[in-house]
Amino acid sequence: NAGVMQNPRHLVRRRGQEARLRCSPMKGHSHVYWYRQLPEEGLKFMVYLQKENIIDESGMPKERFSAEFPKEGPSILRIQQVVRGDSAAYFCASSPQQDLPDTIYFGEGSWLTVV
Amino acid sequence: DAKTTQPTSMDCAEGRAANLPCNHSTISGNEYVYWYRQIHSQGPQYIIHGLKNNETNEMASLIITEDRKSSTLILPHATLRDTAVYYCIVRASNTGTASKLTFGTGTRLQVTL
Repeated sequence: NAGVMQNPRHLVRRRGQEARLRCSPMKGHSHVYWYRQLPEEGLKFMVYLQKENIIDESGMPKERFSAEFPKEGPSILRIQQVVRGDSAAYFCASSPQQDLPDTIYFGEGSWLTVV
Repeated sequence: DAKTTQPTSMDCAEGRAANLPCNHSTISGNEYVYWYRQIHSQGPQYIIHGLKNNETNEMASLIITEDRKSSTLILPHATLRDTAVYYCIVRASNTGTASKLTFGTGTRLQVTL
């Protein structure tokens, strides 16, 4: 059973470009979480999605960031007009949402560098 | 979710047991204790979770006090590959806004020869 798959693993973008990060959850998992980790800092929650629904976006920056988890295909975290401060590791996680307690599993991350 | 308190850092000799404490004095009756770790430049790795009974799996043991206000993660025979930041997280639910894991600063465990 493959784990949470993220791609690309490394992405370089120039300031002002768009970054798209993809996340395929584990098989059978219908819930996805995105986290951001700035250099030498902790993991910060961004958004929690179910298929076609955003459940909690309390950690998403108000501008330039968006996320989706369509009925078919991977979850996408989109960052428009990137700035140097967006350089970070972005981690996706998934869970099956069975009766509590379920377990949330993380991917290996996508490292975004803005130059 | 209840707040957790962990020591900033700990050292452990290779081959010895690593005991990582966590205080969660405001934990509610329906909240679980989860442990994750993050090895440098990798994604967080699930270790174990529990409600009130002690738990053991192939990676570690989790000891939760009777009053549930604190817990200890035990790595029975630490190796150099166990060097990581360990996070103790209290989680109330698997639905809605309470579903997410909220990471604190964790304990940086250094395993030495």
